[in-house]
Amino acid sequence: GAGVSQSPSNKVTEKGKDVELRCDPISGHTALYWYRQSLGQGLEFLIYFQGNSAPDKSGLPSDRFSAERTGGSVSTLTIQRTQQEDSAVYLCASSLTYQNPLYYGYTFGSGTRLTVV
Amino acid sequence: DAKTTQPTSMDCAEGRAANLPCNHSTISGNEYVYWYRQIHSQGPQYIIHGLKNNETNEMASLIITEDRKSSTLILPHATLRDTAVYYCIVRANNNAGNMLTFGGGTRLMVKP
Repeated sequence: GAGVSQSPSNKVTEKGKDVELRCDPISGHTALYWYRQSLGQGLEFLIYFQGNSAPDKSGLPSDRFSAERTGGSVSTLTIQRTQQEDSAVYLCASSLTYQNPLYYGYTFGSGTRLTVV
Repeated sequence: DAKTTQPTSMDCAEGRAANLPCNHSTISGNEYVYWYRQIHSQGPQYIIHGLKNNETNEMASLIITEDRKSSTLILPHATLRDTAVYYCIVRANNNAGNMLTFGGGTRLMVKP
């Protein structure tokens, strides 16, 4: 597609429920990144993918968080047993290559605003 | 990664140049300077990056001091749509994840 697409754009869920957030990167982009941004705060890095593999998962806040990527394209961020502190905007970015993604810059999606009530 | 220091906020009059400073005194020789901005309710947007030479594109100019310890992002004719948080990031280009670490940034307010 023309840009990075994230869905849903807004999600309200009850505490304790599981949620899935989806990211469709730009076609052909091999690197994919997840960040989250709490209200009025900066961006917190969560995880990145080189193709379908995630070499470093240490940025995930807890074991309730997991992410996968299939076919070198779509990625899903799953939060199990959501808590109120999980409320934030979850942003996805992609880049042309993971060998040198910084040179090409990241393209961010508009994010998914998650509210846990 | 080298740490960056930016003013928390700045104002600029519409039509004037906006000059956003960034200090990165501990920058290493292989680290680039990147600028992104985030307009309200949107994801961050890439603006420009550079290593040691000054750079210019359709959005902005990047001036890096000779010792590379600081840089300035210049928006030559700021418009109301340039109101955003501007992030200065220093990062080496290598295969160690290559994720960007966003600090607090500078909140630029362009006023009519």
